[in-house]
Amino acid sequence: SQELEQSPQSLIVQEGKNLTINCTSSKTLYGLYWYKQKYGEGLIFLMMLQKGGEEKSHEKITAKLDEKKQQSSLHITASQPSHAGIYLCGAEHNAGNMLTFGGGTRLMVKP
Amino acid sequence: EADIYQTPRYLVIGTGKKITLECSQTMGHDKMYWYQQDPGMELHLIHYSYGVNSTEKGDLSSESTVSRIRTEHFPLTLESARPSHTSQYLCASSPNLPTGETQYFGPGTRLLVL
Repeated sequence: SQELEQSPQSLIVQEGKNLTINCTSSKTLYGLYWYKQKYGEGLIFLMMLQKGGEEKSHEKITAKLDEKKQQSSLHITASQPSHAGIYLCGAEHNAGNMLTFGGGTRLMVKP
Repeated sequence: EADIYQTPRYLVIGTGKKITLECSQTMGHDKMYWYQQDPGMELHLIHYSYGVNSTEKGDLSSESTVSRIRTEHFPLTLESARPSHTSQYLCASSPNLPTGETQYFGPGTRLLVL
């Protein structure tokens, strides 16, 4: 969706390195969702952010939503091969509205 | 993990055949969705439902049809498959809550039309 831009499109990092994936919306967000997808499989829900400035962590993955609620970042600390996959952000622009998804970021972690 | 299932996982079929992709969830979710995912990874919403007997077309035009006769079941049908229908199809569901639209996805069906 052009309303939701993800960057980078792809990323190759060495195991142990930190990395950040960004998701930017052209509209103020009601909610921002992060999903992970392994090749050929469905999406696994990671985190949902709703409040400006909110930050959530799950294991080594931290997601933040900026104060203006238009940009979110997903940060992985000390990446591992198990982190490899496609990360997608989904935006909810109004309560109860459909999610629109970004184009995804393909992450590869080299052992 | 969410209890949402899709069958078949993989399907290879010839042009002109009628196919139905199954999706079922055991969470009692009112909302269900079908997405088509192209090789560039972007998800496109093709159908959704807010409950039994409710079906709507999504953002991406699709030649498929859906039905929602039971809460837990949301099958997608292609009357006459074509090579352009080759794609991955993902089904999702979400509860009808005011707190957000967390969608839970099935494992997907990868369709190849020859």
